[in-house]
This record gives sequence, structure tokens and C-alpha cells, in this order.
Amino acid sequence: QVQLQESGPGLVKPSQTLSLTCTVSGGSISSGGYYWSWIRQHPGKGLEWIGYIYYSGSTYYNPSLKSRVTISVDTSKNQFSLNLSSVTAADTAVYYCARGYGDYERRFDYWGQGTLVTVSS
Amino acid sequence: SYELTQPPSVSVSPGQTASITCSGDKLGEKYACWYQQKPGQSPLLVIYQDKKRPSGIPERFSGSNSGNTATLTISGTQAMDEADYYCQAWDSSIVFGGGTKLTVL
Repeated sequence: QVQLQESGPGLVKPSQTLSLTCTVSGGSISSGGYYWSWIRQHPGKGLEWIGYIYYSGSTYYNPSLKSRVTISVDTSKNQFSLNLSSVTAADTAVYYCARGYGDYERRFDYWGQGTLVTVSS
Repeated sequence: SYELTQPPSVSVSPGQTASITCSGDKLGEKYACWYQQKPGQSPLLVIYQDKKRPSGIPERFSGSNSGNTATLTISGTQAMDEADYYCQAWDSSIVFGGGTKLTVL
């Protein structure tokens, strides 16, 4: 059973960089066909896709966040990470990591429990 | 950018059928999937590729997708189905609908 677990600071100051890590267990992050993803949910709001990294290292980002987002992978630790730069209060949200799958779609079949990140001085 | 539109809320009586719609331009030409999210929990995939159910999802959950609208149908709705539901599609970028709160009353 694949499990994902987010980790990182729960509080980030404005203008700084938000950094989160997702640790994958029960499966190898190097397995082909999966899109290791970050998704966020503003308090009381809907889901927003941030981006994903393919097992090969290729990355795809939400155009609205692309200029501030970097997703990377560490296969030796079976982890992938999110960096979101120049954060503001509008980046306060629950951040989820998830496994994406599909040749003609991108469905998310496994999710982490989510971690709340608050942007405040 | 591509957008998916859902009704903010849907109400249904226990045992009845609930239908939640998701609208987008030529959505029927893409695959749609649906997630259930209960308070304080992560989203759970309940329908993928328009109408397929992941293992462990009850048969009362079904889906369809045609034209500009995908529909999630819950037959014999139970109190445990009360949740937020999100549709999602892929159109060069991954897009979620705004979510629909299903109330079972």
C-alpha cells in the first residue's frame, strides 16, 4: 500500500520560500508511469493543482504559479519536494502531495494527509 | 485557461439519487474523474476515466461524461456520502472544479 507523508515548516514569513517534502513509502518513486504531485487547498476553498514531477525528472507546473514553483525529486530517499518562492498570505493553505497516474488523464489515486502552511510575519 | 464549473451545493434525501454535474468546454472529449472529501480528510478518488470505480468504492457511485458535462451519480445515497465532491480533468494542465457540497437530509 503506497503511503505519502508531507513534512516541513507550518509557518513561513512573507517573501520567503515555502519548502515541503513528501516521503513515499510502499513503492518506489522511480517506478515509471507516475506523476508525483503537489496540490493545495486554501482554507474553506477548493483544490488547486500546483505541479508534478515525472519519474524521469520532467516537471509540469500550473501556469498561474509557474514563475514561483520548483518541484524536485530525490530518488535515493524516495522523496520529492516543493519550493514556492516569494510567498504571501494568499499562499496560506493545506498542501497535499499525491501520486498521479494515467496515460490520457492525470488522476490522483494516493494522497498524503496534508499539511497546513501559514504565511505570516 | 480551462475551467470546470460545479454547483456549490446539492441536497438529497437518504435513499434517493444524487447527481452532481461538472461543466467544461468539450469536457466529453477528455477524461473526468471525481473525488470525495470529508471534513478534515484528504480527497478520495471515487470515479476515474469518466465511469470507472477504484477498488473499494461502492457500486452506488457511478459517472458519465458527454458533450460539455460530466455527472457523478450516487444511487441510494447514505448519510456517510455527505461530503464535498470535486471533478477534475486534464487539458494540458490539471484542473479541478470548484467543488459541490452534498448534503444528505
